[in-house]
Amino acid sequence: EAGVVQSPRYKIIEKKQPVAFWCNPISGHNTLYWYLQNLGQGPELLIRYENEEAVDDSQLPKDRFSAERLKGVDSTLKIQPAELGDSAVYLCASSQTGTTDTQYFGPGTRLTVL
Amino acid sequence: AQRVTQPEKLLSVFKGAPVELKCNYSYSGSPELFWYVQYSRQRLQLLLRHISRESIKGFTADLNKGETSFHLKKPFAQEEDSAMYYCALASGSARQLTFGSGTQLTVLP
Repeated sequence: EAGVVQSPRYKIIEKKQPVAFWCNPISGHNTLYWYLQNLGQGPELLIRYENEEAVDDSQLPKDRFSAERLKGVDSTLKIQPAELGDSAVYLCASSQTGTTDTQYFGPGTRLTVL
Repeated sequence: AQRVTQPEKLLSVFKGAPVELKCNYSYSGSPELFWYVQYSRQRLQLLLRHISRESIKGFTADLNKGETSFHLKKPFAQEEDSAMYYCALASGSARQLTFGSGTQLTVLP
């Protein structure tokens, strides 16, 4: 079992450029999460999916961030355009049901915006 | 709103010494607390949860509702315990996780 897979692992872009992150959850996990982790901080939830439905996106900055989870499996998080303050680690996690089940985290994508 | 506070950014102890990582929370509902750990070059993973009342890798944590605390303890620290530890609170109907800012534990030889 590979666990939660994320790509790319590292991304360096210039400000105002678009960027996309991809996540493949553990097979059979219906719930998928995207977290933002700033340097020296704990993860903060951006969006949660139950299958293909975004059920909690209240923390997602919708003016520049978007996400999708087609067919309820893989997910993509996009930023357009990126700003300097978006430099952070973007974590994906999955769980079986999203209520009391353990969340399993991916390795994260470290984004640097120049 | 819920909040998790980990007052120590860095904590160093010698091998064999007891260790306690502090976690305090603020939440008006029924709390569910967790400790997550991230070893060097590894992904974030669950260490333990209070409802399980179990000991993992020698670590225990007791939920103290009166003091709103969930401190992580181990009587004899090992070098392999060196890692970043995050306390997290599950809240709301969806049990959304709120994380503390983490404590970097270093166990010295």
